[in-house]
Amino acid sequence: AQKVTQAQTEISVVEKEDVTLDCVYETRDTTYYLFWYKQPPSGELVFLIRRNSFDEQNEISGRYSWNFQKSTSSFNFTITASQVVDSAVYFCALSDVIKAAGNKLTFGGGTRVLVKP
Amino acid sequence: DAGITQSPRHKVTETGTPVTLRCHQTENHRYMYWYRQDPGHGLRLIHYSYGVKDTDKGEVSDGYSVSRSKTEDFLLTLESATSSQTSVYFCAISESTSGGGQETQYFGPGTRLLVL
Repeated sequence: AQKVTQAQTEISVVEKEDVTLDCVYETRDTTYYLFWYKQPPSGELVFLIRRNSFDEQNEISGRYSWNFQKSTSSFNFTITASQVVDSAVYFCALSDVIKAAGNKLTFGGGTRVLVKP
Repeated sequence: DAGITQSPRHKVTETGTPVTLRCHQTENHRYMYWYRQDPGHGLRLIHYSYGVKDTDKGEVSDGYSVSRSKTEDFLLTLESATSSQTSVYFCAISESTSGGGQETQYFGPGTRLLVL
């Protein structure tokens, strides 16, 4: 069975500090996809990134960066120079392919990030 | 904007009553999903659909049924609501690609359901 663990339930930082969110996953599949979503206080879920298991290059998008390490089954997310607007719950998710039926996402429990001014 | 709406956005109901939540999409995507969100559990899949009248169970399907009679609508029914079904319900859609698992899911705004 697939499993995603986000060990940090809540992280509190002061604005401009960097914050790293851990995500560890378990799967028997050789091909899989990992996702990060952001859930701001308003409640919607915002897609941030998708990464496939064959691409271990780190990715940077503005102040966001992701570190995928297949050897340790981790897909960590770093916010550089955090801002108050980054305050949200962040979810890591793992895709489970349903043949010809899309995919099912297995979510971690989420990490709440609180950025204080 | 992925063109997904959910109705109602908030609902309070009593134990034992049936409840139907609606998810509507304007994107004509093939795949649709219902998740529930509870503290500490992230989101968990209830049911999903891979076409009109094609549905299947997810991880936490007990007490729920779904129907999809049109591409754009995916209905979730709580046959007899219980307090354990108090939750936030999210609908999601994903693009129809090769089905290799890479489809990104986009979520609706959610429905807050309180069962008293």
